Amino acid sequence: DVKVTQSSRYLVKRTGEKVFLECVQDMDHENMFWYRQDPGLGLRLIYFSYDVKMKEKGDIPEGYSVSREKKERFSLILESASTNQTSMYLCATFVRTGRGTGELFFGEGSRLTVL
Amino acid sequence: AQSVTQLGSHVSVSEGALVLLRCNYSSSVPPYLFWYVQYPNQGLQLLLKYTTGATLVKGINGFEAEFKKSETSFHLTKPSAHMSDAAEYFCAVSDQGSYGKLTFGQGTILTVHP
Repeated sequence: DVKVTQSSRYLVKRTGEKVFLECVQDMDHENMFWYRQDPGLGLRLIYFSYDVKMKEKGDIPEGYSVSREKKERFSLILESASTNQTSMYLCATFVRTGRGTGELFFGEGSRLTVL
Repeated sequence: AQSVTQLGSHVSVSEGALVLLRCNYSSSVPPYLFWYVQYPNQGLQLLLKYTTGATLVKGINGFEAEFKKSETSFHLTKPSAHMSDAAEYFCAVSDQGSYGKLTFGQGTILTVHP
């Protein structure tokens, strides 16, 4: 089974703090993603990566950055947390199951509250 | 650009009743379509997906969905609801070959009454 581990399930931070959300997958998959989940808005893509040291902006990258120094680890960074970044953050890895297709496997999420 | 609209943010059914969760999409290219389920305090889990071929797709836990190109729809159904089906359901679309870059709908919370 594919395992995606998000190191922190619940975090409380103060405005202006730097926040690191860590995600690790255990199967040497190339494609990794960070989504943000808000009620009534579904999931929105923040950043994704198709390989080590590679990153691409998603639909809502403002206020975020990412780091991928090793294949199994994809970190989301909030350089200066703001209250509007209070949300659930979901990491996912993509597993190919056929030509041009596959499945996203998600971690359990990191619920961040910024005070 | 792609988009997904799920009609109804909340759906309530009785145990044993038909479940119907609606999803319409917009895509300029032939899409791949997905339904994911999220149980409380958990991540998302794939229920089923359509890529090519048969337009009626069967998934886990008795769910199925039909891709209707003319209606740009991919509605999720289950003949008989069970209490354990209570969860939030997300419809998603991607381009062929986008390898995990999905656009999600707003989500539908399904409540099942005894």
